[in-house]
Amino acid sequence: DARVTQTPRHKVTEMGQEVTMRCQPILGHNTVFWYRQTMMQGLELLAYFRNRAPLDDSGMPKDRFSAEMPDATLATLKIQPSEPRDSAVYFCASGPLRLLLGTDTQYFGPGTRLTVL
Amino acid sequence: GENVEQHPSTLSVQEGDSAVIKCTYSDSASNYFPWYKQELGKRPQLIIDIRSNVGEKKDQRIAVTLNKTAKHFSLHITETQPEDSAVYFCAASNARTGGFKTIFGAGTRLFVKA
Repeated sequence: DARVTQTPRHKVTEMGQEVTMRCQPILGHNTVFWYRQTMMQGLELLAYFRNRAPLDDSGMPKDRFSAEMPDATLATLKIQPSEPRDSAVYFCASGPLRLLLGTDTQYFGPGTRLTVL
Repeated sequence: GENVEQHPSTLSVQEGDSAVIKCTYSDSASNYFPWYKQELGKRPQLIIDIRSNVGEKKDQRIAVTLNKTAKHFSLHITETQPEDSAVYFCAASNARTGGFKTIFGAGTRLFVKA
């Protein structure tokens, strides 16, 4: 069955390095979300795309984070420069927004566990 | 801004008992309410959802209820089993306009004791 995929699954890097996380949404899904999960903050929405256009990235620290969808099969989240406080699990989710049905179900990828030393 | 509050943060029940998790939302335009289960080290997975034109929905041992007037919705798990132990997240979104984001609750860690 179709699933959202994310790479890498684990990343350990040093402070100041650039980190790029990738997500392949389920084919045909037109909404893509990036979340960050920590024990203290729970699931935080970082950015949200619909039909590849960014709709909301207010949850993202603009000075160091950037999110893009170069095509319908790839979403990227980049951190430059990374800091220890960025250590978290980053989830991508995609969904087939069904406006007529009034549903916005999201299917999560396995996550990227990022550790910044 | 929009907010979803979830209670309790931790819930411990005996196997076979029922578990209830409650959420309230602030945006009256919200009309879609999914629930996700996240096992340790795994991704959140949708377990049930409800739309605003429905008051209650059931799927085997889990059920959700929605009170739009009070802006409350709840997850009910009956006959709990050890494998129900996980973190449960409620969420609210306005899915009709397509322009609003999903807001998640902070999560409830459920322990089912055998």
